[in-house]
Amino acid sequence: EAGVTQFPSHSVIEKGQTVTLRCDPISGHDNLYWYRRVMGKEIKFLLHFVKESKQDESGMPNNRFLAERTGGTYSTLKVQPAELEDSGVYFCASSESGGLTDTQYFGPGTRLTVL
Amino acid sequence: DAKTTQPNSMESNEEEPVHLPCNHSTISGTDYIHWYRQLPSQGPEYVIHGLTSNVNNRMASLAIAEDRKSSTLILHRATLRDAAVYYCIPPAPGTYKYIFGTGTRLKVLA
Repeated sequence: EAGVTQFPSHSVIEKGQTVTLRCDPISGHDNLYWYRRVMGKEIKFLLHFVKESKQDESGMPNNRFLAERTGGTYSTLKVQPAELEDSGVYFCASSESGGLTDTQYFGPGTRLTVL
Repeated sequence: DAKTTQPNSMESNEEEPVHLPCNHSTISGTDYIHWYRQLPSQGPEYVIHGLTSNVNNRMASLAIAEDRKSSTLILHRATLRDAAVYYCIPPAPGTYKYIFGTGTRLKVLA
């Protein structure tokens, strides 16, 4: 069974440009999460989808970040316009049911560098 | 949010057991403790989880204190491939989001 996949693996853009990250969850997983690690800090939660609906977006840093999950399958995270402090590694995770015992499975991450 | 405390780093010799501790004194009665590890340049990888009793799987064992304020991840025979940062993670109350701390960086010596 394929795991969580993310594209691209690396992205280098200039400040002010737009970047879109994609996450394909494990097939059949209704729950999808975005996390990120910036500047050597701890991994931080960004948001949680249940199917196509945003369940919790309390970790989204500002309105330059837009996450979508049309059709409840793959998700995209768009950063527009990108700033230097957005550099880091963005992880996507998915889980089946979202319950207290639910296990989140993480993708390999997308390393974003904003110059 | 539930807070966790882990040692910043630990070392182990190859083929020896490793006990990785975690304090989670603010955990609620229904929160499961999940353990993940992160190898270099990879995403976090699920290791094990539990609620009240000790748990075993092919990767590791999890010993949970009776008062649930601490737990210990046990790698029975450390290998070089086990060198990683290990995180114990309680969920944020009322949500399913994970709260990552700084974790324990495990170094395995050949």
